[in-house]
Amino acid sequence: DQQVKQNSPSLSVQEGRISILNCDYTNSMFDYFLWYKKYPAEGPTFLISISSIKDKNEDGRFTVFLNKSAKHLSLHIVPSQPGDSAVYFCAASDYNQGGKLIFGQGTELSVKP
Amino acid sequence: DAGVIQSPRHEVTEMGQEVTLRCKPISGHNSLFWYRQTMMRGLELLIYFNNNVPIDDSGMPEDRFSAKMPNASFSTLKIQPSEPRDSAVYFCASSLRTGPNIQYFGAGTRLSVL
Repeated sequence: DQQVKQNSPSLSVQEGRISILNCDYTNSMFDYFLWYKKYPAEGPTFLISISSIKDKNEDGRFTVFLNKSAKHLSLHIVPSQPGDSAVYFCAASDYNQGGKLIFGQGTELSVKP
Repeated sequence: DAGVIQSPRHEVTEMGQEVTLRCKPISGHNSLFWYRQTMMRGLELLIYFNNNVPIDDSGMPEDRFSAKMPNASFSTLKIQPSEPRDSAVYFCASSLRTGPNIQYFGAGTRLSVL
């Protein structure tokens, strides 16, 4: 039972263009959603989060959009840079489940110069 | 702050041997999580602790796996006896259980069981 799904295992974009990473979830009780970035041989690092009561959160080049009716969120990176090439994980948190995070399978982003 | 510290970074062992992975969480954090990452199953939660108490170990694959948190600054994940299918990258993460519950991950331990 995958509560958090990232259906695209990989994405390739040109430097300077927009990268859009998508994530779907099934549990309407999730109260926060988070995005993590992971480079090879490193642990995941936190990127940006959004509360379930918001529909948008922006931090520099990164914006996360939440559509609760569709149970869908997306991460936009504008403009994309080669250093953004990494695996991106979507995660969801339900405080009533003890604060654990449910992770998607990840999307590997490749930004080409 | 040095972040979450895991040791060793790499471990190569033979089937049947005991393996102990170590984690030092970020000072002041009250939740600690152990994950395993494999190609087949992605990033899966094994067990987590709140205030040093194990809360949910439903992700621990078998009785061969055990985890302890004797104090707020140290945790271990032990596999005894180890098997080749345990080969994976094991991550430890810690968090303050507030708001978005941002978890901070260590660099991981790459385990190879021959």
